Amino acid sequence: DTAVSQTPKYLVTQMGNDKSIKCEQNLGHDTMYWYKQDSKKFLKIMFSYNNKELIINETVPNRFSPKSPDKAHLNLHINSLELGDSAVYFCASSQSGRTDTQYFGPGTRLTVL
Amino acid sequence: AQTVTQSQPEMSVQEAETVTLSCTYDTSESDYYLFWYKQPPSRQMILVIRQEAYKQQNATENRFSVNFQKAAKSFSLKISDSQLGDAAMYFCAYRDRSNTGKLIFGQGTTLQVKP
Repeated sequence: DTAVSQTPKYLVTQMGNDKSIKCEQNLGHDTMYWYKQDSKKFLKIMFSYNNKELIINETVPNRFSPKSPDKAHLNLHINSLELGDSAVYFCASSQSGRTDTQYFGPGTRLTVL
Repeated sequence: AQTVTQSQPEMSVQEAETVTLSCTYDTSESDYYLFWYKQPPSRQMILVIRQEAYKQQNATENRFSVNFQKAAKSFSLKISDSQLGDAAMYFCAYRDRSNTGKLIFGQGTTLQVKP
């Protein structure tokens, strides 16, 4: 009964390919996020959805497209993968309100060759 | 823009001893949240402790406590009776009360626990 799950955990692909990462949460939260952790371990927000509505879209290349089919799911699709996209991608969720602590998924390590 | 700074890239502590990890932040907001997350080698991000800025009392969770100095914009994490399982990278994070709710992270501190 994992709270926030991501698939796949590891993804190795060639430059130029298109890939997707899926995220699901069973916490009943209304907000979901994508963060990117680079090779220096720095974590930065990419996107956030609240009740399926996009509320954060940081300066991310438009090759990255999030999709939220419902409150429990937030997927990340990446087109034309580049070497610099290699990173760990974390999904997180929270319930909006005063104490909306974010809970993270296990991360997806993406390696672009 | 808000920023979070962790000035200690690496720290080490002897098992059973106490260690303090530093974090400073910059914001013009008066109401916000601060967090410490732990990332062990498994890479899972685990919430350690949370502090709400409007609360003057320092948060405590078992062996973990914080020293929150709002005026100095400082938020340090104290780990008492360090255990081998505490070895990990620790991230300080800030969140304001806007609708975006995004976390702004520090650079992280790698904690080594020596037996």
